[in-house]
Amino acid sequence: ETGVTQSPTHLIKTRGQQVTLRCSSQSGHNTVSWYQQALGQGPQFIFQYYREEENGRGNFPPRFSGLQFPNYSSELNVNALELDDSALYLCASSSSGREETQYFGPGTRLLVL
Amino acid sequence: AQSVSQHNHHVILSEAASLELGCNYSYGGTVNLFWYVQYPGQHLQLLLKYFSGDPLVKGIKGFEAEFIKSKFSFNLRKPSVQWSDTAEYFCAVTTFFGNEKLTFGTGTRLTIIP
Repeated sequence: ETGVTQSPTHLIKTRGQQVTLRCSSQSGHNTVSWYQQALGQGPQFIFQYYREEENGRGNFPPRFSGLQFPNYSSELNVNALELDDSALYLCASSSSGREETQYFGPGTRLLVL
Repeated sequence: AQSVSQHNHHVILSEAASLELGCNYSYGGTVNLFWYVQYPGQHLQLLLKYFSGDPLVKGIKGFEAEFIKSKFSFNLRKPSVQWSDTAEYFCAVTTFFGNEKLTFGTGTRLTIIP
């Protein structure tokens, strides 16, 4: 157990809908990163939040957006869902610093029909 | 931009066999290197990590990895595997400044036959 929690665990949506995924970071961590893991692939970086500000973004369109709250929990929002958005969405938390490790939550499995 | 290659997509071994999973990265500067494991139905867990110092790092459950800078490699090893090692293994890298995005390889599925 890493202390990183995510909700919900599973979600089914239809194309065009919007979804919000949530992540609670491990105690003492101020950085949250989000990843998308498609079936049979390694996780792909979506973006990272540090102290409520976006701190880096991967190659994902603007319909993927996020928030980080003062307690360092975070949300991932995806608008106008597409079939290819079906994946496992992972949240990882860490402290800031050069030799820090990202600890992952269990993920939210999203299916878009 | 950095990238990570894992050469073995699916490895099948018998219990007690030795394991070596390959990982190569491409990046011209200093990197931090990680191996994560994903057991069936469980979340991604850290096996071991390398930031600096001794290039041979030891992790949990008897795993170790060696960083060979000249070969841009960070191969994972275990002298004797167990059935419980059945899982997906991911190599990942961040750049020198750390705490940035993890760039993952596509993973190696390891199946251990009792």
